[in-house]
Amino acid sequence: QKEVEQDPGPLSVPEGAIVSLNCTYSNSAFQYFMWYRQYSRKGPELLMYTYSSGNKEDGRFTAQVDKSSKYISLFIRDSQPSDSATYLCAIFTYSGAGSYQLTFGKGTKLSVIP
Amino acid sequence: SAVISQKPSRDICQRGTSLTIQCQVDSQVTMMFWYRQQPGQSLTLIATANQGSEATYESGFVIDKFPISRPNLTFSTLTVSNMSPEDSSIYLCSVLPEDGSQETQYFGPGTRLLVL
Repeated sequence: QKEVEQDPGPLSVPEGAIVSLNCTYSNSAFQYFMWYRQYSRKGPELLMYTYSSGNKEDGRFTAQVDKSSKYISLFIRDSQPSDSATYLCAIFTYSGAGSYQLTFGKGTKLSVIP
Repeated sequence: SAVISQKPSRDICQRGTSLTIQCQVDSQVTMMFWYRQQPGQSLTLIATANQGSEATYESGFVIDKFPISRPNLTFSTLTVSNMSPEDSSIYLCSVLPEDGSQETQYFGPGTRLLVL
């Protein structure tokens, strides 16, 4: 079983829809939960991150973590065509002495149709 | 934050040849990373390149295949040696800003490599 599982999609939604993107993970030691957005022909950019169970909001974006079920989600409200991109979940683990690991999911390709 | 540029942005190469990818950062950073992003696969860490020390390679990646240089705090190169079609991928440079927390990595735009 891979450490971080993410449905690659593609996911296509109409403009204005609520988008739900999800990942599951297997390692309980994971500490920070991040979402990256990657536009076509660009590098990933950090969208938001959290370290605790619960919700974290940033504008139209909400990151949700459920550590008991090892499940993380990103919700996008009022989706816009400019949100069309690949969304990567990533989980950060710090193991001490300057050693840490950032593990990525495969990414979900989202298209928001005008 | 950090602004990262990579050269070349893309290339098409013949098998058996080598390509050196450059990564330039607009600020001094200690920790730099090289990733590979193959179609349909997760971003995979190749190696960590800290200035002043030898690069640390992840399992499955070796120095002979992916030699790395880190001559100063703003620059690094990754060479893909003796290329085969399986090396076709996007190669990404990433950094940890000195003024940021350890979990906030920033990525360059990537180098798209096609090996024929």
